[in-house]
Amino acid sequence: NAGVMQNPRHLVRRRGQEARLRCSPMKGHSHVYWYRQLPEEGLKFMVYLQKENIIDESGMPKERFSAEFPKEGPSILRIQQVVRGDSAAYFCASSRGGTPNSNQPQHFGDGTRLSIL
Amino acid sequence: AQKITQTQPGMFVQEKEAVTLDCTYDTSDPSYGLFWYKQPSSGEMIFLIYQGSYDQQNATEGRYSLNFQKARKSANLVISASQLGDSAMYFCAMREGSGGYNKLIFGAGTRLAVHP
Repeated sequence: NAGVMQNPRHLVRRRGQEARLRCSPMKGHSHVYWYRQLPEEGLKFMVYLQKENIIDESGMPKERFSAEFPKEGPSILRIQQVVRGDSAAYFCASSRGGTPNSNQPQHFGDGTRLSIL
Repeated sequence: AQKITQTQPGMFVQEKEAVTLDCTYDTSDPSYGLFWYKQPSSGEMIFLIYQGSYDQQNATEGRYSLNFQKARKSANLVISASQLGDSAMYFCAMREGSGGYNKLIFGAGTRLAVHP
């Protein structure tokens, strides 16, 4: 499935702890997108990043959530002081970029399933 | 506001028959892209097929084809010769944003069950 690597695959945290989710895009891709999928729902956009820049964070909760995509290393989605409602699958996708008419699909990682006890 | 609607929460089909999964969309942007993804029970998102708003012909990829009716704003997925391995959730998605990037908005999905 296209080479986007996410880890861990499963993550269990207790309420109040921090969760760090990592995403390495496909080789040659410099655009990363994070999505959240609640049970029995479709994916919801959270944030779009290019190297060292947050381009669009319109889907990110204003508190406790942050994302980064450093010059070196994977993109990180960080959730501080987790609550039960943060339990979800978090997907990362990457693309090469392109124009609005581009047919480049986003290639998704296998997701991280976050469970909050 | 842009949105994607999948009105069929669940569908079932007999093995080897064809099935159509519905998707309608709403956008005022003349330039957009429509995608279908498959999510099996293992959870990964698998890209199936893409249709651009300016494409003249309906997209096809193997057993998958997209019935694109622009005036009706529908982009239904047709799976021919269904196989047991096609049992999964199917999501329709639209690329939004005029800034040259691929942010997607997803429908709620349709769960397809293929019966032997």
